[in-house]
Amino acid sequence: DIVMTQSPDSLAVSLGARATINCRSSQSLLHGSNNKNYLAWYQHRPGQPPKLLISWASTRESGVPGRFSGSGSGTDFTLTISSLQAEDVAVYYCQQYYTSSMYTFGQGTKLEIK
Amino acid sequence: EAQLAESGGGVVQPGGSLRLSCVASGFSFGTHAMSWVRLVSGKGLEWVSEVSLSGGTTNYAVFVKGRFTISRDNSKNTLYLQMNSLRVEDTGIYYCTKETTPIGGNSLFDLWGHGTLVTVSS
Repeated sequence: DIVMTQSPDSLAVSLGARATINCRSSQSLLHGSNNKNYLAWYQHRPGQPPKLLISWASTRESGVPGRFSGSGSGTDFTLTISSLQAEDVAVYYCQQYYTSSMYTFGQGTKLEIK
Repeated sequence: EAQLAESGGGVVQPGGSLRLSCVASGFSFGTHAMSWVRLVSGKGLEWVSEVSLSGGTTNYAVFVKGRFTISRDNSKNTLYLQMNSLRVEDTGIYYCTKETTPIGGNSLFDLWGHGTLVTVSS
């Protein structure tokens, strides 16, 4: 299985400041046939179901605020929140969908307000 | 509005069984693969099982293979997960999810239910 490792495990950031979460995969998620990275980011707010934020490493889903961005390629990826809002408090997960029907998630990063 | 609603969770002893259900509404259920994903305390999210739009193809995580069975009834817009030989480590919140592809494989999970809690304890 592809192992996904996130860092840090938890993060406290001031309102309006930048938050950065990293995700590393044990093998490349870049598919040679289409040059796409099979990496997604999810937000899990307290009391809510997880929500898909970003697919293909950097494509924001419809309705996701522009302060969320994804970057990276191959084995190293980053989720950035450019200006933290109170409603962004959540656990964030990366997920690989490169391996057909063997999906794996990172362990999660808990984001709090400083 | 597209929605998923799970039910069937509860407390069960090790070795016992439970059957989870998930009723879909607000989208064309029969045109998407579906999955169960669980949230385990201390471990995070774990993909459990996937079924294609017709129900003809199923896939399982190694840790549930041979114990869990996923199925669907498109006439009832309902997804199921039959869980047998339950273990303490199966404790968690089980989410029903809609996939972005019809047959699964390299899918994303773009709609989630609120989950149902399964507790395996003696």
